[in-house]
Amino acid sequence: EAQVTQNPRYLITVTGKKLTVTCSQNMNHEYMSWYRQDPGLGLRQIYYSMNVEVTDKGDVPEGYKVSRKEKRNFPLILESPSPNQTSLYFCASMRGTSGSLDEQFFGPGTRLTVL
Amino acid sequence: GQNIDQPTEMTATEGAIVQINCTYQTSGFNGLFWYQQHAGEAPTFLSYNVLDGLEEKGRFSSFLSRSKGYSYLLLKELQMKDSASYLCAGITSGTYKYIFGTGTRLKVLA
Repeated sequence: EAQVTQNPRYLITVTGKKLTVTCSQNMNHEYMSWYRQDPGLGLRQIYYSMNVEVTDKGDVPEGYKVSRKEKRNFPLILESPSPNQTSLYFCASMRGTSGSLDEQFFGPGTRLTVL
Repeated sequence: GQNIDQPTEMTATEGAIVQINCTYQTSGFNGLFWYQQHAGEAPTFLSYNVLDGLEEKGRFSSFLSRSKGYSYLLLKELQMKDSASYLCAGITSGTYKYIFGTGTRLKVLA
């Protein structure tokens, strides 16, 4: 089944404790992206990647890191989480990039609480 | 930065037609997308427009006017299961940054 998976689905952690949220897609998509969703603010893009070893900042990259070493995986790293990073996080992938606009497929979401 | 604006909330009756509008800066985007998101779930793709005009997909249609910076999603024959948030999104020209509106929460009443 074609899908985007994220782990963990729920996480409660404390300020300053490094964490990684994994994202994997099995559709051989070039484009992958991370978003956070907060009430009243909608979905905001954190980072995106147009292909392996290519990553770019979205609108809210501060406090986050990403890497794209393989096509299928795009982990989101919070080196020193803070309470303002408490949010619902979505990973997404899309088939093509240059010249090819297509739908994004979203993972199920990771609800993160930073105490 | 580029903004996408859409109404916060709308209410409609089962069986009716509803139009959800979305406006944006005219020079900003390569294409406009519409996603549906039920409470507690991930967004799912509905439709997109690259060129001006209407795209029809069953009960859902989306329209784009690039010169006016305007798009709408039309939902026909509303069903209770259409109660959800509808997100308008664009990909910025020259990059592949995605910008989402804050979403329109649609309530369908019996």
